[in-house]
Amino acid sequence: NAGVTQTPKFRILKIGQSMTLQCTQDMNHNYMYWYRQDPGMGLKLIYYSVGAGITDKGEVPNGYNVSRSTTEDFPLRLELAAPSQTSVYFCASSSPGGPYEQYFGPGTRLTVT
Amino acid sequence: AQSVAQPEDQVNVAEGNPLTVKCTYSVSGNPYLFWYVQYPNRGLQFLLKYITGDNLVKGSYGFEAEFNKSQTSFHLKKPSALVSDSALYFCAVRVLDSNYQLIWGAGTKLIIKP
Repeated sequence: NAGVTQTPKFRILKIGQSMTLQCTQDMNHNYMYWYRQDPGMGLKLIYYSVGAGITDKGEVPNGYNVSRSTTEDFPLRLELAAPSQTSVYFCASSSPGGPYEQYFGPGTRLTVT
Repeated sequence: AQSVAQPEDQVNVAEGNPLTVKCTYSVSGNPYLFWYVQYPNRGLQFLLKYITGDNLVKGSYGFEAEFNKSQTSFHLKKPSALVSDSALYFCAVRVLDSNYQLIWGAGTKLIIKP
């Protein structure tokens, strides 16, 4: 049981490039989330999904896109990377029927230069 | 507006002393409350939660938290701090009717000095 896995661990992008951050969970959780954490700050929700085929915007969705074709996978797409997207990105999952806590992946550290 | 506050950016405690990391909240309805810990360059790890029942909940690594409905607080405590407890601690509350989204506090850096 690997929990929530994220790839890559680190990435440097040039301005205007695109990339996909991968997230996979093996706990059969319906709910999945993408957060960003800027240095010295708390978490901000980018997008979330309540099940395969269903996604919705969080607090800071601009510049990102998501898809959820399976229960296990929830990739985050960055189009036209900007320096403001330099951050650490965390994927998380939870089960609405309990337990109610979110389980986090190890994060992806992204730098846009 | 629904919110979570961690009033201290940083808490300094000597090893062996008791520690408290504060959290207050403002949400509609009965809250589900959580504490997470983040070690440097790591993801967030779940510590403990309050859903219902006993106001004192116990979690991982010897931590506990007390739910106080009248003061809308959920302070994290440990009777005897360890240097290895040094980390960033986040309080979060589940928002009612929000597809299980969490509102997060800004985090408190806990420093335990030998």
